[in-house]
Amino acid sequence: AQKVTQAQTEISVVEKEDVTLDCVYETRDTTYYLFWYKQPPSGELVFLIRRNSFDEQNEISGRYSWNFQKSTSSFNFTITASQVVDSAVYFCALRVNTNAGKSTFGDGTTLTVKP
Amino acid sequence: EAQVTQNPRYLITVTGKKLTVTCSQNMNHEYMSWYRQDPGLGLRQIYYSMNVEVTDKGDVPEGYKVSRKEKRNFPLILESPSPNQTSLYFCASSLYSGGTDTQYFGPGTRLTVL
Repeated sequence: AQKVTQAQTEISVVEKEDVTLDCVYETRDTTYYLFWYKQPPSGELVFLIRRNSFDEQNEISGRYSWNFQKSTSSFNFTITASQVVDSAVYFCALRVNTNAGKSTFGDGTTLTVKP
Repeated sequence: EAQVTQNPRYLITVTGKKLTVTCSQNMNHEYMSWYRQDPGLGLRQIYYSMNVEVTDKGDVPEGYKVSRKEKRNFPLILESPSPNQTSLYFCASSLYSGGTDTQYFGPGTRLTVL
């Protein structure tokens, strides 16, 4: 069975602060894929990144960066110099080839960035 | 533009009145899926379809039906809606069911059952 835990239910920061969203996953599959999605107040789900289990290289995209550590089963997401527009719910998700295509989502972390 | 569309986006209905939420994708994806999102529970899968005429239950299928008669469409049917089906619903599609394939989500349908 797959499980994704986002222990931080809500985070509040002031603009320009850095913030890290934690994601811990569980799976017995050796091949798996991790995702982050952003859900702004408008409600849609925006795909941010996909990482496969064989690629532990960290990734940076502008102010966003992701730290994947298989040893701790974590796939954390950091926003540098946060902005008000970053306020959203962020979901971490796990997908494996053996689970009929289902994505297992964490419960989400609500990030509020105050001006 | 590649996209997943859902209709309606918002719906308020009453208990027992049958409704259908449509989902359509224009990416020729084989895999489609429905999720519901409830506060504090993330997204939970309702039904999925590997291909035309192939559908199966997800984690929370009770009270829902689906059909996949064409590759592009995957409607969600609530035969007799109840208040506990008030939720935000997302349709998703991907090329196949493998993890290498990113799931793309529709804009969501906010359903209220009174």
